[in-house]
Amino acid sequence: SAVISQKPSRDICQRGTSLTIQCQVDSQVTMMFWYRQQPGQSLTLIATANQGSEATYESGFVIDKFPISRPNLTFSTLTVSNMSPEDSSIYLCSVVGGQSYEQYFGPGTRLTVT
Amino acid sequence: AQKITQTQPGMFVQEKEAVTLDCTYDTSDQSYGLFWYKQPSSGEMIFLIYQGSYDEQNATEGRYSLNFQKARKSANLVISASQLGDSAMYFCAMREDHSGAGSYQLTFGKGTKLSVIP
Repeated sequence: SAVISQKPSRDICQRGTSLTIQCQVDSQVTMMFWYRQQPGQSLTLIATANQGSEATYESGFVIDKFPISRPNLTFSTLTVSNMSPEDSSIYLCSVVGGQSYEQYFGPGTRLTVT
Repeated sequence: AQKITQTQPGMFVQEKEAVTLDCTYDTSDQSYGLFWYKQPSSGEMIFLIYQGSYDEQNATEGRYSLNFQKARKSANLVISASQLGDSAMYFCAMREDHSGAGSYQLTFGKGTKLSVIP
């Protein structure tokens, strides 16, 4: 399984500001995913990030609010822009791997917006 | 309609006992995969077990087994010999393999909070 790290692990931010979350994988992967988990809720897919192409966003998520970069096969960033308290969530990146194409997740970034 | 339904918001189990966490799913695809993940309070998502729609045998992985009943569209997780460290949120998820699309996206249920009592 891939080893995935995320930075920062947690942050407290003021409303109206932006935060960029980094996701680093220890091996080259084609697909990376970004999820949001609001307090007490399940995971919701924000977007799929493939290297060399624009990210594909799910319904309800837009590029202006959640711009994503994927400069190479081991790294991606997610920016949460113009934050509001409703953006307080855990943000997780994941990659596909293994015999069953299961997804492996990073440790998550806990974001609190005040 | 929800694609993954977990009807038990919370469950309690005595240490060393077995527990079953329920999951039903809804898909029109013939080919799909079902997954269970564990999320401790630390927030990380830990992959536990996988069942493919064409797998005839129930998946097992150590103390975890998946009770797959295809006709009923259920994929319940069974944890044997519960340990205190099993206390966590458990999420059922599905990947629908739209023919030829190579989709690896997962749809998650709302989760079940398992508490193991000493």
